[in-house]
Amino acid sequence: SQTIHQWPATLVQPVGSPLSLECTVEGTSNPNLYWYRQAAGRGLQLLFYSVGIGQISSEVPQNLSASRPQDRQFILSSKKLLLSDSGFYLCAWSIPWQSTGYEQYFGPGTRLTVT
Amino acid sequence: AQSVTQLDSHVSVSEGTPVLLRCNYSSSYSPSLFWYVQHPNKGLQLLLKYTSAATLVKGINGFEAEFKKSETSFHLTKPSAHMSDAAEYFCVVSDNTGGFKTIFGAGTRLFVKA
Repeated sequence: SQTIHQWPATLVQPVGSPLSLECTVEGTSNPNLYWYRQAAGRGLQLLFYSVGIGQISSEVPQNLSASRPQDRQFILSSKKLLLSDSGFYLCAWSIPWQSTGYEQYFGPGTRLTVT
Repeated sequence: AQSVTQLDSHVSVSEGTPVLLRCNYSSSYSPSLFWYVQHPNKGLQLLLKYTSAATLVKGINGFEAEFKKSETSFHLTKPSAHMSDAAEYFCVVSDNTGGFKTIFGAGTRLFVKA
């Protein structure tokens, strides 16, 4: 069966510090991978998605970047955090090119607080 | 263009009474529709999905949803609420072109009173 891992689970970082969040998927090959941010009391905002190694698409211009160095590894980064980067970050995966439906499977999330 | 509207930001029910969470969508294509549930500080879990097969979709934990094209709705229901159902619920639409154009609703917080 497939599993998705995210770490760390919680993180408190000062403004201006760097960020690295990691997501890995097990039990599947060549998944589509996604990073979402969920601000307090709000819905999910798609930040990045990837269809393969080194292939990253950005949905929203921001202070963040993403990389996919391996097939099942997805990393979210920032060089200098802003207060507005605080939120709950969720990684998800989906099977590429299913015949119908594209449900996504979510990791447990990382709670980031920028102080 | 796609959009999804969850008509209630909060819904409160008593334990044992029916649950109705409302969702309307807009899509240029024949969409796939999903409901996800999120418990506090957890990831999202798929409850059910509609992908142009049966219009009444049954999901996990006793939830079901009915796709009504004429009303562009995909409301989530459960006959009898349990305390463990208290969570946030998201209605989601995807246009079946690769899973990238997936739009999440703003969410409905379900409260269940004892």
